[in-house]
Amino acid sequence: DAKTTQPPSMDCAEGRAANLPCNHSTISGNEYVYWYRQIHSQGPQYIIHGLKNNETNEMASLIITEDRKSSTLILPHATLRDTAVYYCIVSKAAGNKLTFGGGTRVLVKP
Amino acid sequence: NAGVTQTPKFQVLKTGQSMTLQCAQDMNHEYMSWYRQDPGMGLRLIHYSVGAGITDQGEVPNGYNVSRSTTEDFPLRLLSAAPSQTSVYFCASSYSRGRPHNEQFFGPGTRLTVL
Repeated sequence: DAKTTQPPSMDCAEGRAANLPCNHSTISGNEYVYWYRQIHSQGPQYIIHGLKNNETNEMASLIITEDRKSSTLILPHATLRDTAVYYCIVSKAAGNKLTFGGGTRVLVKP
Repeated sequence: NAGVTQTPKFQVLKTGQSMTLQCAQDMNHEYMSWYRQDPGMGLRLIHYSVGAGITDQGEVPNGYNVSRSTTEDFPLRLLSAAPSQTSVYFCASSYSRGRPHNEQFFGPGTRLTVL
C-alpha cells in the first residue's frame, strides 16, 4: 500500500472549518484514500473514503486532487469533540489491511 | 448491536505468562483483525482473518497466535508475555466480500502491561 504524509499537528478554532492535508504521491490506480480518527484512547473511527471523486457524508468532505497524489479532509464546522488524531490511509479496496502512520493531531480550541 | 467487544479492558502480566485477549463482533463480518498501538504511535497490524478457519500474519505477528473457529470470535493469544508487548490492543472487523470499500469497526481496546 502507498505511504502517506501528514502534518503532525494543527489547531482549529471551534465553529470554523478544519482542513487536513495528506500527501500520497505513490498511490496506485486501484487504491482508495481512507480517513479515520482516534479520539483520546478510543478505537479508531471510520470517517470517509474516496477513489478519485470528491465525497461528502454527515461527518466530513474529502477532496482528492485530479492526479490523486494528495487529498484534504474537511470538517466543515469543527467542535471540541472533533479533537482527535486523524489518520489518512491508502489501501486497496479488498485489502482490508490498514497501515496507520503517525496521523495529524488536531486540537479544536474554543 | 453491540458492535465489536473486547475483554478484558485492562490486564497486567508478568514476563513469561500467557493469556488470551478476547474479541467478538455481532455484525456478521467476515473480516477481523488485531492491531497494537504503542504510546504516541499509529496502529500496527498483528494478525487478521478473512473468514472462519482462515488466518494470516500482519506486520508484527511474532509472539502472538490467533484462531478463527467462528465468524463472531477472534481471540489473540500471547504465548509468553514480554515487556515489549506492553501496548494497547485493538480488534477490528469489516465485510470483506462484495463491498467496494474497507470500513473497519474497532473495539474499545485492551490495555496490557507486562512487568
